[in-house]
Amino acid sequence: ETGVTQSPTHLIKTRGQQVTLRCSSQSGHNTVSWYQQALGQGPQFIFQYYREEENGRGNFPPRFSGLQFPNYSSELNVNALELDDSALYLCASSLGAGTYNEQFFGPGTRLTVL
Amino acid sequence: GQQLNQSPQSMFIQEGEDVSMNCTSSSIFNTWLWYKQDPGEGPVLLIALYKAGELTSNGRLTAQFGITRKDSFLNISASIPSDVGTYFCAGLPYNTDKLIFGTGTRLQVFP
Repeated sequence: ETGVTQSPTHLIKTRGQQVTLRCSSQSGHNTVSWYQQALGQGPQFIFQYYREEENGRGNFPPRFSGLQFPNYSSELNVNALELDDSALYLCASSLGAGTYNEQFFGPGTRLTVL
Repeated sequence: GQQLNQSPQSMFIQEGEDVSMNCTSSSIFNTWLWYKQDPGEGPVLLIALYKAGELTSNGRLTAQFGITRKDSFLNISASIPSDVGTYFCAGLPYNTDKLIFGTGTRLQVFP
């Protein structure tokens, strides 16, 4: 059974640029949740995708957007990057949505915005 | 964004000592979870709690779901070097699977 994988591992961008982060969910999982973890903080929920549809969103601006594909992998896109977007971006996959199902986290993508 | 209050922020202990940390919220949660995160990795679930008052163990780890449903506690007994890492609580409000995380407790264990 393959775990959650994310790419790239690290990324450096400059302010105003756009970035795409990728996540492959664990085999059999149909739900992907994305979190932003600033240095020294706990993860903050960005949004969740269930069967290719957005299923809930945290307190993040519209320049944070996402996609989920038929194979349940997912992308997180961030436009007009700001310095405060520098963080570890985690995705987590689970089976089902709406009630608690254990979420399995990937290792994250470390984004640095200069 | 909302985060749960977790304390202490960091702990420096000697191998063999017991550890206690807690997490509080201003709102009620239906589920409390405890995670451990090692550097360069994502959080890994340690214990899940589903009922007020529930006490659950996982090896040397014991966690409790507070009676008020606004807090939770994690204890680690007889700490060992591999316990080093950052521990996060997370709560789930009613009928949702959108996790709200605590601010983390960084644990250092000295031999």
